[in-house]
Amino acid sequence: DAGITQSPRYKITETGRQVTLMCHQTWSHSYMFWYRQDLGHGLRLIYYSAAADITDKGEVPDGYVVSRSKTENFPLTLESATRSQTSVYFCASRAPGANEKLFFGSGTQLSVL
Amino acid sequence: KNEVEQSPQNLTAQEGEFITINCSYSVGISALHWLQQHPGGGIVSLFMLSSGKKKHGRLIATINIQEKHSSLHITASHPRDSAVYICAVMGGTSYGKLTFGQGTILTVHP
Repeated sequence: DAGITQSPRYKITETGRQVTLMCHQTWSHSYMFWYRQDLGHGLRLIYYSAAADITDKGEVPDGYVVSRSKTENFPLTLESATRSQTSVYFCASRAPGANEKLFFGSGTQLSVL
Repeated sequence: KNEVEQSPQNLTAQEGEFITINCSYSVGISALHWLQQHPGGGIVSLFMLSSGKKKHGRLIATINIQEKHSSLHITASHPRDSAVYICAVMGGTSYGKLTFGQGTILTVHP
């Protein structure tokens, strides 16, 4: 199906474990983004990518790693999960150009115990 | 001071009322987005504006670049419009990165 999909939808893990959240889009959008959404903070950018093999830090990158070997995939890895990383994570993508909309995945609700 | 300020933070309305949500920003932008998020749900882009006005169904979005202000209007509101509405701005050279407002929680009662 066309669109942007995230997996898993829900994840519970323990502190110190490595966790990878997946994001896949079928439009070949060049821009992809990872956000976290927390009460009181709204949406905050973790990492973004302008194209395959081009990634850069956002506002809150500490503790996260991304890669983008293929245009359609943009996984986010928590190398050693901490309780402060309990959040809802959204992946998004858009085509280049000033008039392009942003499309969001359904989100991953992550709990770190 | 946040770069993007929304008002009000919370809004309660009766079905059928005309609703306005405001967004002010302090930086130069190339575009402004209005997003909708239903409780427990994903985020949907409603509008992307760089000037003027856009309309989709009962929703109208306007932007005044000189005044650094945008409004989202909902005509004839309905309980299904109950959601969080988020304003987000994109700078001119930001790789498409957005700066988000805190969101406006809208509740429409039947």
